[in-house]
Amino acid sequence: GAGVSQSPSNKVTEKGKDVELRCDPISGHTALYWYRQSLGQGLEFLIYFQGNSAPDKSGLPSDRFSAERTGGSVSTLTIQRTQQEDSAVYLCASRTRVNEQFFGPGTRLTVL
Amino acid sequence: AQSVTQLDSQVPVFEEAPVELRCNYSSSVSVYLFWYVQYPNQGLQLLLKYLSGSTLVKGINGFEAEFNKSQTSFHLRKPSVHISDTAEYFCAAFNTGFQKLVFGTGTRLLVSP
Repeated sequence: GAGVSQSPSNKVTEKGKDVELRCDPISGHTALYWYRQSLGQGLEFLIYFQGNSAPDKSGLPSDRFSAERTGGSVSTLTIQRTQQEDSAVYLCASRTRVNEQFFGPGTRLTVL
Repeated sequence: AQSVTQLDSQVPVFEEAPVELRCNYSSSVSVYLFWYVQYPNQGLQLLLKYLSGSTLVKGINGFEAEFNKSQTSFHLRKPSVHISDTAEYFCAAFNTGFQKLVFGTGTRLLVSP
């Protein structure tokens, strides 16, 4: 079956602009995670959705970051008023019932 | 708080030599342990996992890892590496209490002829 997909694969934007990153999880996976991978920073947890529960937003670095998950499936991560330090690879993962996380290929965001 | 430590940022090795990538974790609650591999410009791919049961787990591409509770370690091993194993390897622990995956900082494996 299809894995986790993310779009776009690459995004170049100007400082101050808003961006939206999309994640399509594996069908049937109820949990979805967003991570950020920066040079020298490793993998950083951003936000977690589980079913209909309120998302765990404890990893979002600022109020410029938000995410939603519609219909328990597709998720969108939005970054408002982008800054150069937001440049990173944003990874999405969906999780099985036995807690295995499957990752998408990521979106490479470059803020000029 | 839970943490995962990968002491080696880079491990150079010759082709067909054995390799061990070290991982230690700290947690006061039950954890599930994982190794992921990331090839250049790609996402993370699951290599192997420890959920319960046998402490020696085998994964894809000839890799294996051993869960050692007393030493809180989950080292990754391969008896004979290939050039194609050159990649970044991440150890991760899933904390069942917090429902989050905590990653180590990664180890870059460099296999040369």
